[in-house]
Amino acid sequence: DAKTTQPTSMDCAEGRAANLPCNHSTISGNEYVYWYRQIHSQGPQYIIHGLKNNETNEMASLIITEDRKSSTLILPHATLRDTAVYYCIVRVRGDKIIFGKGTRLHILP
Amino acid sequence: KAGVTQTPRYLIKTRGQQVTLSCSPISGHRSVSWYQQTPGQGLQFLFEYFSETQRNKGNFPGRFSGRQFSNSRSEMNVSTLELGDSALYLCASSPITGIQETQYFGPGTRLLVL
Repeated sequence: DAKTTQPTSMDCAEGRAANLPCNHSTISGNEYVYWYRQIHSQGPQYIIHGLKNNETNEMASLIITEDRKSSTLILPHATLRDTAVYYCIVRVRGDKIIFGKGTRLHILP
Repeated sequence: KAGVTQTPRYLIKTRGQQVTLSCSPISGHRSVSWYQQTPGQGLQFLFEYFSETQRNKGNFPGRFSGRQFSNSRSEMNVSTLELGDSALYLCASSPITGIQETQYFGPGTRLLVL
């Protein structure tokens, strides 16, 4: 079973920041938080990952709470091409990836 | 670098047949994982291969099998196909460097069983 809880769907206006929450209250000390997204009919795309510090790359920012029980993926300026299912995953190195249901993000023009 | 490639992209088979799907990982990547995606069950892990050895396995029947070659290319085989095996089969490769492994997915093979 997936160890994360995400809202089923979210809407965001084009050009605004999209903030996608994820709860992982049972995360253990050696588990990383990963985010992937899947655009319709394509394979999942890696976005970002982190352990306990906030992370930023060219696609997004990842904010992890101090107790590591939740995190937020931020897409700073959402575009229509960001419409996808976003998966939050916690896993240990070498372990299989367990995907949950993810959040279906709709970007509204 | 070229991404993960999967062949064929689309496949139609009939019940009882067997099928072999192929995955070529990103150059230098040694780990290959396979996933099945269906509308009802979502993305489910099948198995992972590293250095020609199965390292992790999901909860699928023995009809689903795989292997990895010395050049890291991988194949998965499904025997005695059932209608419920219709799905998108995804392959992902990983470099296994350091303590973090990021998996990069291919476009998938869409299998339809009639």
